[in-house]
Amino acid sequence: EPEVTQTPSHQVTQMGQEVILRCVPISNHLYFYWYRQILGQKVEFLVSFYNNEISEKSEIFDDQFSVERPDGSNFTLKIRSTKLEDSAMYFCASSFGTWGVGSGANVLTFGAGSRLTVL
Amino acid sequence: KQEVTQIPAALSVPEGENLVLNCSFTDSAIYNLQWFRQDPGKGLTSLLLIQSSQREQTSGRLNASLDKSSGRSTLYIAASQPGDSATYLCAPQAGTALIFGKGTTLSVSS
Repeated sequence: EPEVTQTPSHQVTQMGQEVILRCVPISNHLYFYWYRQILGQKVEFLVSFYNNEISEKSEIFDDQFSVERPDGSNFTLKIRSTKLEDSAMYFCASSFGTWGVGSGANVLTFGAGSRLTVL
Repeated sequence: KQEVTQIPAALSVPEGENLVLNCSFTDSAIYNLQWFRQDPGKGLTSLLLIQSSQREQTSGRLNASLDKSSGRSTLYIAASQPGDSATYLCAPQAGTALIFGKGTTLSVSS
């Protein structure tokens, strides 16, 4: 079964450092997402991406965050200057379609996550 | 701003019981609602998606209903098994974002 692959599985970094989290979405999917989950809290939406541009972003996704699809297969999340409160599990997801398309196309497939620890 | 509440927060049952997990949301202007399962330390697995025009959706032992006007969804699990032990998350969608509840953590004992 196709899957979303994320690397690294765990990254430890010092506060103020730049971090890039990488994702390989399912090959025929068109919509890409990043979510995060701080330990013990809800899964939170960060950003959605379609046709090489951001479709929607949350209040969390400030100027410290950026996303990129540098080639035909990878989708990255960059945090420019990490803070302690950025420590979380970051999930990448992809879908073929979104709302308004046939029900199966809306289903998001999530990766296993990248755990970021900021010291 | 959409707020999602899931009740109960945790549930422990013996194998074989039928269960109902509840989800409520404050903004009924949604396109669909998805139910996910999350195992400890793992990603999210999609279980069911209900379009806003649908009332329910079934997959195997799982049945999800949606009452959009009242802002409620329920996930019914029939004949629970130890392998069903996980956290179940409800997520209505408006726009491209899913808004998640904190989930119901289910433990099924054999």
